[in-house]
Amino acid sequence: DTEVTQTPKHLVMGMTNKKSLKCEQHMGHRAMYWYKQKAKKPPELMFVYSYEKLSINESVPSRFSPECPNSSLLNLHLHALQPEDSALYLCASSFRIALNEKLFFGSGTQLSVL
Amino acid sequence: RKEVEQDPGPFNVPEGATVAFNCTYSNSASQSFFWYRQDCRKEPKLLMSVYSSGNEDGRFTAQLNRASQYISLLIRDSKLSDSATYLCVVFAGNNRKLIWGLGTSLAVNP
Repeated sequence: DTEVTQTPKHLVMGMTNKKSLKCEQHMGHRAMYWYKQKAKKPPELMFVYSYEKLSINESVPSRFSPECPNSSLLNLHLHALQPEDSALYLCASSFRIALNEKLFFGSGTQLSVL
Repeated sequence: RKEVEQDPGPFNVPEGATVAFNCTYSNSASQSFFWYRQDCRKEPKLLMSVYSSGNEDGRFTAQLNRASQYISLLIRDSKLSDSATYLCVVFAGNNRKLIWGLGTSLAVNP
């Protein structure tokens, strides 16, 4: 019943692979986020896009490359990942980056790096 | 001191019990406060925002104490379906980011 759709739900990749995670929302939200979550930890912010421009990059390694092709879509390109990058990757959106804006999360992509 | 601190629990309570969680925050410039709920292996979902005057949504009551820099969540008449991790989230306008607590684990037992 989430209005933020993420694909794929599960992904297994080797350290030399290139893959992409996709996120889509049609709520007219102009802020979109990538979070990484390890087991028993809170979500950890990676990137924020505001009006399709990268607004926040939390010093994420370059093997993670975000892309926002339009206001409804957000991608995360993965290349040469490490086993410690295995985690749940969550996309979220909000109407904008502001005081009382609530985040709507997708159901996430469970990523395993072998 | 962590920016947002919560007791990780776990809290184990019987059905029908009342349970309360506290959360403290260090940035006095914090402006917005939220409780999110996360079920195992699922995404976080907003449970409720926390307003200065306190607010209630059914069995859930949230309170904010700015002087002591803490927020609380009270759950009355606990249901089995309330079992989850409850995450305290704070928005500090000066850095325009949400700061997440580590979460408090609740298990409601039959």
